[in-house]
Amino acid sequence: NAGVTQTPKFQVLKTGQSMTLQCAQDMNHEYMSWYRQDPGMGLRLIHYSVGAGITDQGEVPNGYNVSRSTTEDFPLRLLSAAPSQTSVYFCASSYSNQGGYIQYFGAGTRLSVL
Amino acid sequence: QKEVEQDPGPLSVPEGAIVSLNCTYSNSAFQYFMWYRQYSRKGPELLMYTYSSGNKEDGRFTAQVDKSSKYISLFIRDSQPSDSATYLCATPQLGAQKLVFGQGTRLTINP
Repeated sequence: NAGVTQTPKFQVLKTGQSMTLQCAQDMNHEYMSWYRQDPGMGLRLIHYSVGAGITDQGEVPNGYNVSRSTTEDFPLRLLSAAPSQTSVYFCASSYSNQGGYIQYFGAGTRLSVL
Repeated sequence: QKEVEQDPGPLSVPEGAIVSLNCTYSNSAFQYFMWYRQYSRKGPELLMYTYSSGNKEDGRFTAQVDKSSKYISLFIRDSQPSDSATYLCATPQLGAQKLVFGQGTRLTINP
């Protein structure tokens, strides 16, 4: 059981390049999310999905796109990378339990935009 | 006011000490609280979660919720160097399927 798998682990981009961060989960969870983590800022929600075909914006969605065509996969796309998007990105999947959401995280993707 | 607030530390204690990590939250309707542990250069790992008030114990870890003061705590007994990590508290945002996180407290246990 792999849990939440993120690829790549590291990436360096030039300003203006595009790329897709991959996320896959094998726990059949309905909910998936993308966060970025920056020093002093904690974890901030970028986009999330409550099921295949349904996505919504989080706290910091600008510059990022998502889609959810299957339960397992939730890729995050950077259309035109900017230095402000240098961060560590975490994908998470979760299930609902008594009104709460038990969330499991991937190992992260470290992105540098030059 | 942030929905969940946490002292970022850093907090440094000797091995074997009892550690107390704390968060406050703003909305009295929050019912579900989680603690995550994050080692350096790794993803957050769910440590414990509690529903409503009271205590929950798991080995050396105890999570406590005081709804009257909107205060949540994580206690670590007999702390070990392997407990050195950043600890994040979190709660589901009402009406939305997403978690709100505290800033995280960086903990170091010194041998």
